[in-house]
Amino acid sequence: AQTVTQSQPEMSVQEAETVTLSCTYDTSESDYYLFWYKQPPSRQMILVIRQEAYKQQNATENRFSVNFQKAAKSFSLKISDSQLGDAAMYFCAYRSAYGSARQLTFGSGTQLTVLP
Amino acid sequence: SQTIHQWPATLVQPVGSPLSLECTVEGTSNPNLYWYRQAAGRGLQLLFYSVGIGQISSEVPQNLSASRPQDRQFILSSKKLLLSDSGFYLCAWSLKGGGSYEQYFGPGTRLTVT
Repeated sequence: AQTVTQSQPEMSVQEAETVTLSCTYDTSESDYYLFWYKQPPSRQMILVIRQEAYKQQNATENRFSVNFQKAAKSFSLKISDSQLGDAAMYFCAYRSAYGSARQLTFGSGTQLTVLP
Repeated sequence: SQTIHQWPATLVQPVGSPLSLECTVEGTSNPNLYWYRQAAGRGLQLLFYSVGIGQISSEVPQNLSASRPQDRQFILSSKKLLLSDSGFYLCAWSLKGGGSYEQYFGPGTRLTVT
């Protein structure tokens, strides 16, 4: 079974600065997908960014980018020019490319605080 | 566009009472459906998933059950609630097939068992 580990329960960043959230995972599969979800105080889960394991190029979405290291099984999220609205719980998630159910395995989350 | 609804938004139930949470999806057909539970300050735990009507897979054995009576309707139930059932329950859907399809989440139900 796959596991996802987020070793930073809490992080803080100054507004306009850059912060990196860590995520590692364990799998024996070669093809899979990785996601970062954001959960603001409203509790609505919002997709931030996704990465296909077969792509070497790191995904980027505006101020959000990932550092995907497949051999190290590491998938960190970098938030540049942090804004107050980025304050949320961030979850890393893994999904196998095999099987019909496509279920996600989540990490325990990192609570990000953005300081004005 | 697709939308996902959950109700109720908030529920307070006594121990031993029954439970029924409903989730419906609009704007798509034959989706995969999922129930997650999130304890306070914790990650999401997958409870059930369904790839079609009447097809339910359980990830965690417990006193909860799920049913999918219609293509876009997913119900989470319990005959007798326990204190440990308190939490935030999220329903989600995704497309079938290959590809980096994300899961789309509903607004959630906050359940407090007293």
